[in-house]
Formats: sequence, C-alpha cells, structure tokens
Amino acid sequence: DVKVTQSSRYLVKRTGEKVFLECVQDMDHENMFWYRQDPGLGLRLIYFSYDVKMKEKGDIPEGYSVSREKKERFSLILESASTNQTSMYLCASSSGTTYGYTFGSGTRLTVV
Amino acid sequence: GNSVTQMEGPVTLSEEAFLTINCTYTATGYPSLFWYVQYPGEGLQLLLKATKADDKGSNKGFEATYRKETTSFHLEKGSVQVSDSAVYFCAQLIQGAQKLVFGQGTRLTINP
Repeated sequence: DVKVTQSSRYLVKRTGEKVFLECVQDMDHENMFWYRQDPGLGLRLIYFSYDVKMKEKGDIPEGYSVSREKKERFSLILESASTNQTSMYLCASSSGTTYGYTFGSGTRLTVV
Repeated sequence: GNSVTQMEGPVTLSEEAFLTINCTYTATGYPSLFWYVQYPGEGLQLLLKATKADDKGSNKGFEATYRKETTSFHLEKGSVQVSDSAVYFCAQLIQGAQKLVFGQGTRLTINP
C-alpha cells in the first residue's frame, strides 16, 4: 500500500512563528499536494508539485510556501503563522490521471 | 470553471436505511469522478471512482454511476451501518491536469 506520512497529528504554534509541516510518501509518486480542510468549505488546494524542485500555486497560496528538494518529501511552510491559519492540513500524492490521490492522516494546526 | 456541488449535510439516518448523497459537477470535457470518505480523526480514503460516462464505481456496498447527461455522480448504499458514519467528499479530476476539485463534504451519522 502507498503510504503518505505527515510528521505531526497535532501542532500548537504561536502567532508569528515560522511553521514547517512535513509530508513523505513511499511509492515514488510524481505529484504531491497540500490542502487545508475547514468546516463548510471542504478541501482547498494550497500548493502542488509535479516534480522535484517544482511547485505551483493552488487556490489559496497566500501566507504559505512549499519546498520539494526530494521526490518523496513535500514541505509546507507558514512564513509567519496567523490565527486564520488554524486548520486541518492534508497532504496527498498521486501517480496518474485516473488513480486519484492517497492522503496522509492530516495535521491539525492551532495558532494561538 | 470546474466545480463540484454536494448535497448539504449533516445527514442522519437509522441503521439499515437507504442512503443517497447527491453530487453534481461542472467541467469542461469529461473528468474522472471520485468519492472519498473521511472517518473521524483520519485523512481521506478513496471509496470508489469512475473514469467515463456510464461507469459504475462500487466498494463496501456503496455505488455511484457517472451520468454525463445530468452531470451527476450520486453515492448510494442500500443498507447503512453505524460504521458508515463519516464525512463523504465527491471530487473530480480535471481532464489534462492532476488536480482534484472537491465538493464541500457531507457529514453522515448513522444511529443504531
């Protein structure tokens, strides 16, 4: 089974901190994605990557950046955390157009 | 543009009831369609998929048929169980791209 692992299930950070959310997949997938999930809004795409060192903005990239130095790892960075970034963050990977995604278990981030 | 609309929740049913969760989409071209399920405290799991018109996806007693004429992909199950309580997401994979577009999710609660 493809596994997507997110480094933390729960995080509490202070406003203004720089926050790193890590995601690792073990099946050599080309594509990786970061979403945030909020009640009533579903999943919204923050950033995605089709290859190493490449990134593209999703629908809500403001306040975030990403890094993909190795194929298996895709990091989401909150440059200066704010309370409106309190959310569930989901990482996913995929290898082809019809197979959909495999998701990690999510990181619930609280910014205080 | 490309979007997915799900019936509003939450939905509450008794065990062994018949379930329908409506999903419609707008798209240019013919996307692949998916249902994902999220159990409490977990990430999303692929439940079923369909890649072309009139395809029927099925898994764990759930079914959905890709209806091009009505641009719909409604999720059905003949007899729900308490263990089906979860949030269900309909999604489309944009043709020619790798990005999934999600509906807002429908929370389902099954009472014994």
